[in-house]
Amino acid sequence: KAGVTQTPRYLIKTRGQQVTLSCSPISGHRSVSWYQQTPGQGLQFLFEYFSETQRNKGNFPGRFSGRQFSNSRSEMNVSTLELGDSALYLCASSLRDTYGYTFGSGTRLTVV
Amino acid sequence: DQQVKQNSPSLSVQEGRISILNCDYTNSMFDYFLWYKKYPAEGPTFLISISSIKDKNEDGRFTVFLNKSAKHLSLHIVPSQPGDSAVYFCAASVTGANSKLTFGKGITLSVRP
Repeated sequence: KAGVTQTPRYLIKTRGQQVTLSCSPISGHRSVSWYQQTPGQGLQFLFEYFSETQRNKGNFPGRFSGRQFSNSRSEMNVSTLELGDSALYLCASSLRDTYGYTFGSGTRLTVV
Repeated sequence: DQQVKQNSPSLSVQEGRISILNCDYTNSMFDYFLWYKKYPAEGPTFLISISSIKDKNEDGRFTVFLNKSAKHLSLHIVPSQPGDSAVYFCAASVTGANSKLTFGKGITLSVRP
């Protein structure tokens, strides 16, 4: 079966712009989580959605937001981009909890 | 506040020998622990996990040990193979509605042929 699909794979944006990243979970998976990976901080939890509801949120500013659609696909949005937002953004899906997490390959965002 | 710590950023071992990757945690609420492996340009891949009711879990060449009193876990890879060269992340979670994984910063393992 298809894995977790993230699009686009690579993205270059300018400071001040906004960006939307997309994640299609494994079929049947209703939980979608987002993580930010940077060299200095490792993987940090952004937020988690289950059945279109945000169930958990990490310690990121309000510029980072997300949503989940009825087909479980999820998007995350970052507004007013800063240089420090350059990172690999990873999406993970599971049936219901952390035990069965499957990660996508990520979207590499570069802010210039 | 780093709740999951992987204090050694890198480890180099000879092919065929044992690799021991360490991880410490500070949050006593964590009751489920996972190890992920990550290659460049790919997402993390689940390796092995352990519940806090156990002190050891084994899967082929991979064994995870948990010492709750010391808040320490370790991943043993025996024997190490060049294909094991990757970044290894330790992660922890609290069972229940909390679907958040707290990750360490990762250890880069290099297995020399």
